[in-house]
Amino acid sequence: DAKTTQPNSMESNEEEPVHLPCNHSTISGTDYIHWYRQLPSQGPEYVIHGLTSNVNNRMASLAIAEDRKSSTLILHRATLRDAAVYYCIPGYEEYGNKLVFGAGTILRVKS
Amino acid sequence: DTEVTQTPKHLVMGMTNKKSLKCEQHMGHRAMYWYKQKAKKPPELMFVYSYEKLSINESVPSRFSPECPNSSLLNLHLHALQPEDSALYLCASSLQGQGRGTEAFFGQGTRLTVV
Repeated sequence: DAKTTQPNSMESNEEEPVHLPCNHSTISGTDYIHWYRQLPSQGPEYVIHGLTSNVNNRMASLAIAEDRKSSTLILHRATLRDAAVYYCIPGYEEYGNKLVFGAGTILRVKS
Repeated sequence: DTEVTQTPKHLVMGMTNKKSLKCEQHMGHRAMYWYKQKAKKPPELMFVYSYEKLSINESVPSRFSPECPNSSLLNLHLHALQPEDSALYLCASSLQGQGRGTEAFFGQGTRLTVV
């Protein structure tokens, strides 16, 4: 999805925080921002979503820029099990009732 | 139960065969989806069912035929496939529309090989 840009890959050390950025400059005020991840040989897994304010759950935190043109997924302490492809998926209104996956960011975690 | 169950996990079929993929969820979700994922590529949406009615068909060839017999079941009927249709087929469900701030649950997929 050309409207959404993420780094192709990132690398992190185990037990350290990871900040995964996403740019979505054409997002509208009512478009939610979703993050999913896909571990090797598994289906995608929901991580978190938000609209305007920052969000936290047991897996991660989502920091949304004030202008909403970018967001950052934060894994507070990366583990080897967090190695996956992370997809930032804005729910663009023009896409209607569906999630459109972009290329995502491949996260590698080093021990 | 927060699972989406897909069967079979693996399927090998010839180009003249007819087969079906099955997806089941018991979370009371009324939106269900089929995705196709080629190796090292992101999932691509194929079909969306909302309240057991087909609401989105992403211009998928007619050799793929979806069916939603009830609110818990989603099938994908396959007929006369081509080798390039070999992929991981993923099913997902959500309480309401995926892109509107709701969590979608994905199955583990069916790895399809067309020979």
